[in-house]
Amino acid sequence: DAKTTQPTSMDCAEGRAANLPCNHSTISGNEYVYWYRQIHSQGPQYIIHGLKNNETNEMASLIITEDRKSSTLILPHATLRDTAVYYCIVRFTQGGSEKLVFGKGTKLTVNP
Amino acid sequence: GAGVSQTPSNKVTEKGKYVELRCDPISGHTALYWYRQSLGQGPEFLIYFQGTGAADDSGLPNDRFFAVRPEGSVSTLKIQRTERGDSAVYLCASSSPSGTYNEQFFGPGTRLTVL
Repeated sequence: DAKTTQPTSMDCAEGRAANLPCNHSTISGNEYVYWYRQIHSQGPQYIIHGLKNNETNEMASLIITEDRKSSTLILPHATLRDTAVYYCIVRFTQGGSEKLVFGKGTKLTVNP
Repeated sequence: GAGVSQTPSNKVTEKGKYVELRCDPISGHTALYWYRQSLGQGPEFLIYFQGTGAADDSGLPNDRFFAVRPEGSVSTLKIQRTERGDSAVYLCASSSPSGTYNEQFFGPGTRLTVL
């Protein structure tokens, strides 16, 4: 699985958009970008994933650059409950069952 | 519906002892994963089951670690001769391969402390 690079930490004001970047310059054509988050003392939680098109669901939006070497997770209106560690993961399968390879992620702090 | 549950939530043991950690996956999920998370790090893969069989055990650090899933549902992670370095949060996740997103659903973890 391709390696990802994320900032160690970020801050965001409550109610504003949180934009979390991820670099995955070695991603291959059949690898997907997945985002999970982990709120303190809980297990990780799936947020969203994509291959090459931008994706949106009830939690977030995922913007993937045309060359697929980087992506941005957008939380449109961050709340205090969005404070968590966010993990960007690339993996080659969508439908199969494969392990997730986590990095250290980005610790997002949403401030009142 | 019920999510992934793990017991115990906390386990304190002494160096050299044997421990068992239990995971109850979401009903109907055929895939089950174990991860280990040390302080300040992301979760680290240990082993993956598809049904009753271990499809990938490449993450088990050594032969002191063993996991079973005899009936394709509940799984037990077993650690023999525990060492202080085994202290971590052990996370279990399950997924349905037929699901569109292959989303892994995680339990709250078992915090293992080896004194």
